[in-house]
Amino acid sequence: AQRVTQPEKLLSVFKGAPVELKCNYSYSGSPELFWYVQYSRQRLQLLLRHISRESIKGFTADLNKGETSFHLKKPFAQEEDSAMYYCALSTGTASKLTFGTGTRLQVTL
Amino acid sequence: DAGITQSPRYKITETGRQVTLMCHQTWSHSYMFWYRQDLGHGLRLIYYSAAADITDKGEVPDGYVVSRSKTENFPLTLESATRSQTSVYFCASSPPDRGSGYTFGSGTRLTVV
Repeated sequence: AQRVTQPEKLLSVFKGAPVELKCNYSYSGSPELFWYVQYSRQRLQLLLRHISRESIKGFTADLNKGETSFHLKKPFAQEEDSAMYYCALSTGTASKLTFGTGTRLQVTL
Repeated sequence: DAGITQSPRYKITETGRQVTLMCHQTWSHSYMFWYRQDLGHGLRLIYYSAAADITDKGEVPDGYVVSRSKTENFPLTLESATRSQTSVYFCASSPPDRGSGYTFGSGTRLTVV
């Protein structure tokens, strides 16, 4: 069965410091991976899709099939990046997403 | 994204009562989903639907019922609410392409007392 692991519940960094939110997945087939962000008491928003290889709000993520990872990175953290981040995996049919347990990013001055 | 709306935003109900959470989307997305969000568990899939009149169980379906008579609506009913069903419930929709990702509603915060 597919699984997504986000090992850190909380990641606290200083403003301007680099950020890396870890995500590992288990799936034997060809995965589709996503990062979603949830700002305080708001809906989840799609941040990145690995298939599009785009950079949104300075965040990037590279799929590493060898390490089964899809870590989210940003070179310089901003206060407005403080939020809950979820990694998600889509497998097979039905467009179903399996989510990790989330990592709360806290950016402090 | 006004295309997917959930109601109510907040609901307090008593143990044993039936409660229905509503979800409406305007994009004619074929897929719709219900997730619950709990601290330490992330988001867990309750039920999903591939099209009108087609529904299937997710990871945590017990105690919930869904229906989808129209493409745009996907209500979630708690038949007899329990305190363990206190949670934030998110509805989402998606086109069939699994690379598209979801669009989420604003969520319903349900408290069962």
